[in-house]
Amino acid sequence: EPEVTQTPSHQVTQMGQEVILRCVPISNHLYFYWYRQILGQKVEFLVSFYNNEISEKSEIFDDQFSVERPDGSNFTLKIRSTKLEDSAMYFCASSGMAGAYEQYFGPGTRLTVT
Amino acid sequence: KNEVEQSPQNLTAQEGEFITINCSYSVGISALHWLQQHPGGGIVSLFMLSSGKKKHGRLIATINIQEKHSSLHITASHPRDSAVYICAVIGVWGAQKLVFGQGTRLTINP
Repeated sequence: EPEVTQTPSHQVTQMGQEVILRCVPISNHLYFYWYRQILGQKVEFLVSFYNNEISEKSEIFDDQFSVERPDGSNFTLKIRSTKLEDSAMYFCASSGMAGAYEQYFGPGTRLTVT
Repeated sequence: KNEVEQSPQNLTAQEGEFITINCSYSVGISALHWLQQHPGGGIVSLFMLSSGKKKHGRLIATINIQEKHSSLHITASHPRDSAVYICAVIGVWGAQKLVFGQGTRLTINP
């Protein structure tokens, strides 16, 4: 069964460093998402991406964040200068369509900023 | 802004018990998802529903659009059902983002 994959599973970085989190969505999906979950809190939406551009973003997704689909398979989230409060589990998801269509989640990348 | 509230926040039961987890939301939606999150953190989609009822094995999900309420039921619960169950909704008019509830931590004791 097709699945969303994410790498790395765990990333430790120092404050101020840049990190890139990688995702490979399901191959025929068109919509891609990043969510994050700070330990003990709700999962929060960061950004959605369609047709090679951001279609929606939350107030969390400020200038420190960017997303890219550098080739036909990868979808990346970059944090330019990490802060302690960026420590969280980051989930990638993809769906075939927008709206009332199932989103499939990757296993997550745990980011720890020290 | 859509708020999603789940109850209870924590639920402990004995193996074999019938489990109900509730979800309420505040504005119109196009669909509601029930998700399962295991201790390792990964999220698995259990159901997506827009109306009525869906059943998969021992899991049943219902939704009442007029009352803005959904329930997830687990029949004949088993310790392997122990996980966090999360309700998430997606808005109308081609909305894309999921808005999540805070989750219900379910523990089934043998």
